[in-house]
Amino acid sequence: TQLLEQSPQFLSIQEGENLTVYCNSSSVFSSLQWYRQEPGEGPVLLVTVVTGGEVKKLKRLTFQFGDARKDSSLHITAAQPGDTGLYLCAGARIGGANNLFFGTGTRLTVIP
Amino acid sequence: NAGVTQTPKFQVLKTGQSMTLQCAQDMNHEYMSWYRQDPGMGLRLIHYSVGAGITDQGEVPNGYNVSRSTTEDFPLRLLSAAPSQTSVYFCASSRPEARRLFFGSGTQLSVL
Repeated sequence: TQLLEQSPQFLSIQEGENLTVYCNSSSVFSSLQWYRQEPGEGPVLLVTVVTGGEVKKLKRLTFQFGDARKDSSLHITAAQPGDTGLYLCAGARIGGANNLFFGTGTRLTVIP
Repeated sequence: NAGVTQTPKFQVLKTGQSMTLQCAQDMNHEYMSWYRQDPGMGLRLIHYSVGAGITDQGEVPNGYNVSRSTTEDFPLRLLSAAPSQTSVYFCASSRPEARRLFFGSGTQLSVL
């Protein structure tokens, strides 16, 4: 049973388009992290959200943590080819800040 | 700036063989962990350690052993490799409660 479900699993869009990736669970998390992974490398942290309803922006990327701390979304505005990669959400259970449950991942391809 | 170093990068084993995946970090992080990444499954926690001499099981610990004799090193041992252990393995480290993992570049393991 997957604790965190990400959708869509694959996404191929044209440069300049907007997109949203969703990360959903029935469990409550103390924090939610988003990572990006390039081929042959380990995941690299993009952002951590902690408070229910929190919104964080990282240039063209906007991250939101659900009010109930069970879900999160990543919105990319005007996608660029450099955004191509595997996006992973990861939730930390209460009391286990570093023991993460990862989502299934969204593989994004931005076509020039 | 080595960060988290994993060796080897690639390994092929025959069923029943044993081996050790090495992981070392130079950031003086107390927390270290091992994940495996399989297609469509995301990353799953195998074992983790909150400090030298302390280890505990994650989601999928069967078939793997760990020990932590120093802060820097956290090796993962496969006692008798099985085809189901074919995967990409990632080591990660962090400060306690940092809500951010630093990952190595992974070991791709094939068990024939």
